[in-house]
Amino acid sequence: DIQMTQSPSSLSASVGDTVTLTCRASRNILTYLNWYQQKSGLPPKLLIYGTSTLQDGVPSRFSGSGSESVFTLTITDLQPEDFGNYFCQQSYFYRTFGPGTRVDLK
Amino acid sequence: QVQLQQWGAGLLRPSETLSLTCDINGGSLSGHSWSWVRQFPGRGLEWIGDIIHGESTDYNPSLGSRATISLDTSKKQFSLRLTSMTAADTATYYCARASSLLIFGLKRNWSFDVWGRGTLVTVSS
Repeated sequence: DIQMTQSPSSLSASVGDTVTLTCRASRNILTYLNWYQQKSGLPPKLLIYGTSTLQDGVPSRFSGSGSESVFTLTITDLQPEDFGNYFCQQSYFYRTFGPGTRVDLK
Repeated sequence: QVQLQQWGAGLLRPSETLSLTCDINGGSLSGHSWSWVRQFPGRGLEWIGDIIHGESTDYNPSLGSRATISLDTSKKQFSLRLTSMTAADTATYYCARASSLLIFGLKRNWSFDVWGRGTLVTVSS
């Protein structure tokens, strides 16, 4: 099993801020890491795959980095539509999601 | 633009079997895996399993042999059966398409790029 953890579990930020979310894997998953955004009542939306590749249509203020067991999602110039929950997911061994980080308005 | 439309019973008694189906509207079956993911009331997400057209199925080991995913290519739909349901299986169930990216020429990274709207399944006596 590969366990995923995310930190912080929640954060408050203002429009225009830069925020960094962290995802950790229990072992080396190379770059087999994806990020999703979810808003209330909707399914998750793929933002980034393969650690750093932006899904079509996702704004360039989102970026991902990392390797092995530590990964980050950075959102620069936070916009009102960016508030919600963010999940990481590994696909190195089966598929496992992290518990999520909630980003809300300060 | 691929869209997934899912349906199935939303209220089950303990020990019953969950059956959900997902229509694939648009796009090709090939080159993707067709997956089921559930989300528990506390927001945690769990991959249930997937099926790859012309290949095989893969399941979350935590479910043992309870889950079965099938793909009907003529109808362009895939289905989930989950047996022996309990209250712990209460969740929103999503069908999803997974697409892959070959990394380092080794193995594929699978990400869920298209999702159904979800079905809330409640297990209660």
